[in-house]
Amino acid sequence: EVKLLESGGTLVKPGGSLRLSCEGSGFTFKNTAMAWVRQAPGRGLQWVSTIRANVDLTYYADSVKGRFTISRDDSKNMVFLQMSSLRADDTAVYYCAKYGLATIRSYYGVDAWGQGTTVTVSS
Amino acid sequence: SYEVTQPPSVSVSPGQTARIACSGNDLIDKDVCWYQQKTGQSPVLIIYQNVVRPSGIPERFSASTSGNVATLAISGALPVDEADYYCQAWVDRTVVFGGGTKLTVL
Repeated sequence: EVKLLESGGTLVKPGGSLRLSCEGSGFTFKNTAMAWVRQAPGRGLQWVSTIRANVDLTYYADSVKGRFTISRDDSKNMVFLQMSSLRADDTAVYYCAKYGLATIRSYYGVDAWGQGTTVTVSS
Repeated sequence: SYEVTQPPSVSVSPGQTARIACSGNDLIDKDVCWYQQKTGQSPVLIIYQNVVRPSGIPERFSASTSGNVATLAISGALPVDEADYYCQAWVDRTVVFGGGTKLTVL
């Protein structure tokens, strides 16, 4: 059974930093692209970042570029999101997301989601 | 930046077919996924590669794309299908979600 377990969400002040973690199990983590997707209270899903498997390539939404860094530790089956210069509009539930099989131009969807970890940015 | 647009809400009576549209420029040229999210739960993938249902997703869920519009259809909608539905497109190595559509079945 595929499982994704996030941790690290908490209350942080504007301008502060935070690192989210996600541990994956039940699949071959090192061969799987991973992502973070967030959902602000009462709002829709917003993609944050992707990290590919087996290559040192990462992608970011414009709203977090330069402030957030995604990384992975395949030896521990974990993916991380380092967040800095946090703003009130970064307040959201952050989901760890597993991509399905890769194709030439995309993936077979986000085929597994964690339960989410809540980040609240407020003074 | 690329955007995909969904209607905020769709209502349907039980047993009818619900259709949720997702529009975006040249969407026919992109791979589209659909997700279902029930209140308080994480999203679930229900369609990938425009038309493919993952294992375990009921056959009443189907999707198609024509031109600039992708459509999710739920045949014989059930009260259990009440949820938010999101389309998602893969665009130049980024991921774009629609704003979501709240489906009401009553």
